[in-house]
Amino acid sequence: ILNVEQSPQSLHVQEGDSTNFTCSFPSSNFYALHWYRWETAKSPEALFVMTLNGDEKKKGRISATLNTKEGYSYLYIKGSQPEDSATYLCASLTDSWGKFQFGAGTQVVVTP
Amino acid sequence: NAGVTQTPKFQVLKTGQSMTLQCAQDMNHEYMSWYRQDPGMGLRLIHYSVGAGITDQGEVPNGYNVSRSTTEDFPLRLLSAAPSQTSVYFCASRGQGGSYEQYFGPGTRLTVT
Repeated sequence: ILNVEQSPQSLHVQEGDSTNFTCSFPSSNFYALHWYRWETAKSPEALFVMTLNGDEKKKGRISATLNTKEGYSYLYIKGSQPEDSATYLCASLTDSWGKFQFGAGTQVVVTP
Repeated sequence: NAGVTQTPKFQVLKTGQSMTLQCAQDMNHEYMSWYRQDPGMGLRLIHYSVGAGITDQGEVPNGYNVSRSTTEDFPLRLLSAAPSQTSVYFCASRGQGGSYEQYFGPGTRLTVT
């Protein structure tokens, strides 16, 4: 059972369009929320680590927000490019010892 | 810095065989974890360690053993391989504290026949 849920499961986006998707997680026992970018045949690569309610992080055209009270985070891609095609994973850190629970991911396909 | 390294990259085992997946990191990270990745299931935590000599179970620990005798190494042992253990295995490490990024190794693709 995945307590961390991501939606939608997949997205097809036209190049140049902006998009966003959601990660929901249990708001109790919250320590941190991590976002990863995972390209096919590679390993997940950290995008953002978010710890505080109201956190907003940005890296280039990708940004994320965090609401720990209601247990959700949004990831935004502005002006999508084909190189943004990947699976985006979120993971909730549920204790101070390092126990992560991952969502199943949102697969983003950007077509020219 | 090599980061997180895993060996082997690919492995085929017969049911009942045992083997060890190796993981090493050179970043002096206290925290190390093993995950398995199955279609539609996301990454599931098998075992993790918060330092040399300290390990704990994750979500799916059955059939696997770990030990952490040094900060650098965190091997995963399959005791008696089963077809249900066919998966891609990732090792990861990070520094202490929730704000530290987690770094993943390149993965080991294991097939059990």
